[in-house]
Amino acid sequence: AQTVTQSQPEMSVQEAETVTLSCTYDTSESNYYLFWYKQPPSRQMILVIRQEAYKQQNATENRFSVNFQKAAKSFSLKISDSQLGDTAMYFCAFMKHAGANSKLTFGKGITLSVRP
Amino acid sequence: DTGVSQNPRHKITKRGQNVTFRCDPISEHNRLYWYRQTLGQGPEFLTYFQNEAQLEKSRLLSDRFSAERPKGSFSTLEIQRTEQGDSAMYLCASSFSGGRKDTQYFGPGTRLTVL
Repeated sequence: AQTVTQSQPEMSVQEAETVTLSCTYDTSESNYYLFWYKQPPSRQMILVIRQEAYKQQNATENRFSVNFQKAAKSFSLKISDSQLGDTAMYFCAFMKHAGANSKLTFGKGITLSVRP
Repeated sequence: DTGVSQNPRHKITKRGQNVTFRCDPISEHNRLYWYRQTLGQGPEFLTYFQNEAQLEKSRLLSDRFSAERPKGSFSTLEIQRTEQGDSAMYLCASSFSGGRKDTQYFGPGTRLTVL
């Protein structure tokens, strides 16, 4: 079974600064996907970024980038130029390769507050 | 395409009552998932459908829970004889298995409160 660990329950960052959210996971699979989802207060969960395990290049989406360390089973999210709208709960999630049961296994999440 | 929708958004019920939630996935998506999220926790997988077939159920899904997806379109999740421990946010997600590597898109959730 897969496990996802987010050990930091809360973080705070000043607007326009950079913040890194940590995530580690455990799996015996060699082919899988990792995700970061954002859940703003009282709003629905949206996908921030995804990473295929077979790709060595770290994924980037505008101000969001990941540091994927497969051997260390680490998958951190970096948010550059933080904005007030980034205030949300962030979840790291794991999925076996597409074709199998592609359910997501989530971490407990981290609450990020962006200060003006 | 309006995304994944869920109804109702909020449901308050008394212990012992039955409740039913509905999820309408993105129209071309063939996979549909149900998750449960309690306060301060990440979502936990309950069950999933590919088209109309229910392919996996979590051990979290007790006999009081049943889910259907008739004709492979919308899905319903029913909880019979609700208990206070059933209070949670119930999330639905959908994906297309032939599309962009099975990315799941979530609905707004149904928040259940059992008194």
